Amino acid sequence: AQTVTQSQPEMSVQEAETVTLSCTYDTSESDYYLFWYKQPPSRQMILVIRQEAYKQQNATENRFSVNFQKAAKSFSLKISDSQLGDAAMYFCAYRSNTGTASKLTFGTGTRLQVTL
Amino acid sequence: DTGVSQDPRHKITKRGQNVTFRCDPISEHNRLYWYRQTLGQGPEFLTYFQNEAQLEKSRLLSDRFSAERPKGSFSTLEIQRTEQGDSAMYLCASSLGTGTIGNTIYFGEGSWLTVV
Repeated sequence: AQTVTQSQPEMSVQEAETVTLSCTYDTSESDYYLFWYKQPPSRQMILVIRQEAYKQQNATENRFSVNFQKAAKSFSLKISDSQLGDAAMYFCAYRSNTGTASKLTFGTGTRLQVTL
Repeated sequence: DTGVSQDPRHKITKRGQNVTFRCDPISEHNRLYWYRQTLGQGPEFLTYFQNEAQLEKSRLLSDRFSAERPKGSFSTLEIQRTEQGDSAMYLCASSLGTGTIGNTIYFGEGSWLTVV
């Protein structure tokens, strides 16, 4: 079974600064997807960024980028130029791309605070 | 596109009562998922439908839980003889998928259940 670990329960960053959230995962598969989801206080989970395991190039979406280290099974999220609206719970998630597997396996989340 | 909608958003029930939650996925999405999330934890997979077929069920889904998607559109999640441990947020999500393509999974705002 796959597991996802987020070792930082809480992080804090000043507005306009950069912060990195950590995620490690365990799997024996070679074909999978990794995601970062954001869950603001309103509770709706929103996709931030996704990474296909077969791609060596790290995904980027505007101020959000990942550092995907497949051999180390590490998938960190970097948020640049942090904004107050970035404050939320961030969840790392894994999704197999083999067989009929379709579900997401989530980590326990990191609460990000953004201060002035 | 109105997104994934869930009803009710909040439900307080007495222990031993039955509750039912409804999820309307994004139109045209053939895959529908149910997750459970407790405070301070990431969402945990419960079950998954492709069209009307229930393809996977987690062992978390005890025999008191039943999910249906009768016409491949909306879905219901029923919990019979509720227990205090059932208190959680129940998240519904949907995606448009073929095979194992990792299409984006979109989440609803969740249905909060409190069992007293």
